[in-house]
Amino acid sequence: GENVEQHPSTLSVQEGDSAVIKCTYSDSASNYFPWYKQELGKRPQLIIDIRSNVGEKKDQRIAVTLNKTAKHFSLHITETQPEDSAVYFCAAQATGNQFYFGTGTSLTVIP
Amino acid sequence: GAGVSQTPSNKVTEKGKYVELRCDPISGHTALYWYRQSLGQGPEFLIYFQGTGAADDSGLPNDRFFAVRPEGSVSTLKIQRTERGDSAVYLCASSPGLSHRYGYTFGSGTRLTVV
Repeated sequence: GENVEQHPSTLSVQEGDSAVIKCTYSDSASNYFPWYKQELGKRPQLIIDIRSNVGEKKDQRIAVTLNKTAKHFSLHITETQPEDSAVYFCAAQATGNQFYFGTGTSLTVIP
Repeated sequence: GAGVSQTPSNKVTEKGKYVELRCDPISGHTALYWYRQSLGQGPEFLIYFQGTGAADDSGLPNDRFFAVRPEGSVSTLKIQRTERGDSAVYLCASSPGLSHRYGYTFGSGTRLTVV
């Protein structure tokens, strides 16, 4: 099955700085890569996704890049704000309909 | 409903007991997924339903775990002879169709604690 690795496990940035979270996947058949944000005690919520026919996607302060050859994808958050503090999970979908999640990155934005 | 509803939100049970966890998906969503999230980990796939049938149950850890969705809407995850290692948050998600086209909507989860 698919194996998704995520780094770093924890990340602290100053408010206004950028944050980058990186993920790698193992199954070259994976073709959909969502990112979820999970605040403490709450459900994961989809924040952005990218499909394998696209190299980059941007939504306001959030962007995701995908390198299919290297099998890695990254989340970029610019102009970070305290409310961006949460755990972020990357995921990959291969031939099945289920997602394989990374182990999460705990982001802390320091005011 | 407006979102994916899971009940109970918290469940404490003794080792060896049987538990049922319920998921009520968004109305009209044909696909339903169960995941398990241990502390500090990402959600781990358990089982996926398309309509009433289990399309993929390869994530169920052993035969103590079973799930049903008899009418293609509400689903129940059943755990027999619970063990302390079953303690986790059990997340349900639903999707109107293929997940890569629509993504998931997660419920708030059921926190299961086996003592």
